Amino acid sequence: KQEVTQIPAALSVPEGENLVLNCSFTDSAIYNLQWFRQDPGKGLTSLLLIQSSQREQTSGRLNASLDKSSGRSTLYIAASQPGDSATYLCAVGRLQGAQKLVFGQGTRLTINP
Amino acid sequence: DGGITQSPKYLFRKEGQNVTLSCEQNLNHDAMYWYRQDPGQGLRLIYYSQIVNDFQKGDIAEGYSVSREKKESFPLTVTSAQKNPTAFYLCASRKTSGSFEQYFGPGTRLTVT
Repeated sequence: KQEVTQIPAALSVPEGENLVLNCSFTDSAIYNLQWFRQDPGKGLTSLLLIQSSQREQTSGRLNASLDKSSGRSTLYIAASQPGDSATYLCAVGRLQGAQKLVFGQGTRLTINP
Repeated sequence: DGGITQSPKYLFRKEGQNVTLSCEQNLNHDAMYWYRQDPGQGLRLIYYSQIVNDFQKGDIAEGYSVSREKKESFPLTVTSAQKNPTAFYLCASRKTSGSFEQYFGPGTRLTVT
């Protein structure tokens, strides 16, 4: 059974710092991996999607990497801003069956001005 | 503007009552999903549908029911059999080809007392 873990559960850093969020999964037989952002009381916003054949994806200040063999993904945020404060969730797409996602519990990120 | 709408945003019900949550999408996506989110936890899959008039149970389907009579609509009924219905409910849909990226609605917060 696929399990997804995100550590740490919460992270607080000063504005301007570069930071890395971690996601690990137990079964390397995945179709893809998605990173989402969730603001309090809101739905999920898709940030980046990495296909299983890819190593990384970039969008603006965000860079996500994928190492299937070690069961790890990282989300790198450059030059953090207070507006980046949110919960970040990673989700792994199962290889079989309707592309169901298995979610980690999220990392709550706070960027201090 | 294409997207997913969920209504209502907040819903309050008495214990023992059934309640239906609405999810509509105009993205022309074939697949739709319902997730439940509890505080401090990742999302858990309730039901999903890959095509009209067909749906499958997810990981926590007990006490829930769905229908998929139209491509655009995937309502979720929380029945009185659901032991702990108070939660944040999120609807999602998936692209029909390519990356299978999932897109989420804004969510419905259900409180049962």
